[in-house]
Amino acid sequence: AQSVTQPDIHITVSEGASLELRCNYSYGATPYLFWYVQSPGQGLQLLLKYFSGDTLVQGIKGFEAEFKRSQSSFNLRKPSVHWSDAAEYFCAVAEGGSQGNLIFGKGTKLSVKP
Amino acid sequence: EPEVTQTPSHQVTQMGQEVILRCVPISNHLYFYWYRQILGQKVEFLVSFYNNEISEKSEIFDDQFSVERPDGSNFTLKIRSTKLEDSAMYFCASSGLGAHNNEKLFFGSGTQLSVL
Repeated sequence: AQSVTQPDIHITVSEGASLELRCNYSYGATPYLFWYVQSPGQGLQLLLKYFSGDTLVQGIKGFEAEFKRSQSSFNLRKPSVHWSDAAEYFCAVAEGGSQGNLIFGKGTKLSVKP
Repeated sequence: EPEVTQTPSHQVTQMGQEVILRCVPISNHLYFYWYRQILGQKVEFLVSFYNNEISEKSEIFDDQFSVERPDGSNFTLKIRSTKLEDSAMYFCASSGLGAHNNEKLFFGSGTQLSVL
């Protein structure tokens, strides 16, 4: 069965520092991969997605993620974190052809210190 | 950007009561979804809905749950007889062409259901 692992529950970075949030997935075929962000009191907002093609995917708010099949990973990165990036980040995988049956990781809470 | 709207933002109910969670998807969208997130746990898929019928559902979505699109604009999730373990944040989502067509899901801000 598909699964998603986000090994870091909580990460704190300084404003302006670089960020990498880890995500590993378990799925036999090429998955559809997503990163969502959830700010307090807000819904889930899609940052970026990977379906096929270029393994480095650019998203909104300056985020990018790289699909590495050999490592079954889809890590999220940002070169310089802003205080407004403090939120919870979820990695998700969808079975190809699934009509929205996303499987989410447990999330990584990002705190940003001044 | 268009929004998915969910009401209420917080619903408190007694165990055994029926509850209806309401969602207004984006107006021209065709695919609708419910997810839930129990505190401290993963966001879990419940059900997807297209063309006035359920297209996919998870093991969580048992006979206590039902969905409906009663009037062409609202999309509701009904829990017939709530249990303590139904306490969770429930997210509605919609999509124009469906995730299987590489369309992204737009999520609402959620309804926090507390069952006492």
